[in-house]
Amino acid sequence: NAGVMQNPRHLVRRRGQEARLRCSPMKGHSHVYWYRQLPEEGLKFMVYLQKENIIDESGMPKERFSAEFPKEGPSILRIQQVVRGDSAAYFCASSPVLTGAYEQYFGPGTRLTVT
Amino acid sequence: AQTVTQSQPEMSVQEAETVTLSCTYDTSESDYYLFWYKQPPSRQMILVIRQEAYKQQNATENRFSVNFQKAAKSFSLKISDSQLGDAAMYFCAYRPNLNSGGSNYKLTFGKGTLLTVNP
Repeated sequence: NAGVMQNPRHLVRRRGQEARLRCSPMKGHSHVYWYRQLPEEGLKFMVYLQKENIIDESGMPKERFSAEFPKEGPSILRIQQVVRGDSAAYFCASSPVLTGAYEQYFGPGTRLTVT
Repeated sequence: AQTVTQSQPEMSVQEAETVTLSCTYDTSESDYYLFWYKQPPSRQMILVIRQEAYKQQNATENRFSVNFQKAAKSFSLKISDSQLGDAAMYFCAYRPNLNSGGSNYKLTFGKGTLLTVNP
């Protein structure tokens, strides 16, 4: 059973460009969570999605950031007009059901560098 | 709001020795989960060990064990017989239990402790 997959692993964008980060959850998992790790910090929750639904986006900046998890295909975290402060590692996790006793399984992360 | 504090930014241990990493947390919930995650240089987040708050027995996974003190809201990780491959950043994390309601899916992480293992 393949783990959570994220691509790209590394992404370099110039200020003002758009960044699109992709996450394919583990097979059979229908819940996806995005976390951001700023330098020297722990991971911080951004958004929780189920198929075609955003359940909780309370940790996501109000502007320039959006997320989706379509019926088919991976979950996408989109950052428009990137700024230097968006440079971070972005992790996706998935779980088979709303996390109760089930763990969130993390992908390897996407490291975004804004130049 | 829940908070997780790791007061040791860096720790070092000699190979084959034992080291303890500290973690304290603050919550008003009575039922929750606590985790230790390992992040090696590859940056992959790896679950090391999990503790359920309603269980009094401390969790153990091979060379990794925890000292869970619920009243003190303390959750330390002990690594025995340290190996070079244990060198990594270690994060303590908290999550409310499903039945507690609210945002019970959000993991709250500490800032991490960088563990160095000396040969």
